[in-house]
Amino acid sequence: GNSVTQMEGPVTLSEEAFLTINCTYTATGYPSLFWYVQYPGEGLQLLLKATKADDKGSNKGFEATYRKETTSFHLEKGSVQVSDSAVYFCALSDWYGSEKLVFGKGMKLTVNP
Amino acid sequence: EPEVTQTPSHQVTQMGQEVILRCVPISNHLYFYWYRQILGQKVEFLVSFYNNEISEKSEIFDDQFSVERPDGSNFTLKIRSTKLEDSAMYFCASSYKGGKGETQYFGPGTRLLVL
Repeated sequence: GNSVTQMEGPVTLSEEAFLTINCTYTATGYPSLFWYVQYPGEGLQLLLKATKADDKGSNKGFEATYRKETTSFHLEKGSVQVSDSAVYFCALSDWYGSEKLVFGKGMKLTVNP
Repeated sequence: EPEVTQTPSHQVTQMGQEVILRCVPISNHLYFYWYRQILGQKVEFLVSFYNNEISEKSEIFDDQFSVERPDGSNFTLKIRSTKLEDSAMYFCASSYKGGKGETQYFGPGTRLLVL
């Protein structure tokens, strides 16, 4: 079946540090890949997505590249801010005709000033 | 910016009681979903709903669960007889289109505690 494995954390970084959150997936088809973020007290918000191999999603300084050969979609940001403190979820959707998202466990990031 | 809303934010209930979780999806969206997250575990898909019927459901979504769109704006999840293991955060989501690349917009969740 389909699954997503991501770094679990929690992770604490200092402001302006480099961030990488690893995400790998297993899928029977050709999935679309997503990163969602959950800020304290809020719902999951789409951060970025990619729908085909070698696509790069980007938003708010975050980037992730769809790597079919390594079945990965790692999230990176060059310089984190305190406001990036949140829980980050990697997810995929696989089949045409099925809209369900399959999520990783989520990783809590805390950025200290 | 339009958003998905959910009520209540927290609910505590006794085992065996019925609960109804409410969601107001984004107004022009056509696809609706429920997910849940048990503490410390992954967010799990429960059900998707389109054109007034269930389009897909997971193994978790057994006969104790039902969904309804009682009017043009609300989307509800009913748990008929709650169990301790139903304690979780329940997220509603909606999207304008279906399909694997479409963005789903999530509400803030309802935290359900079954005692």
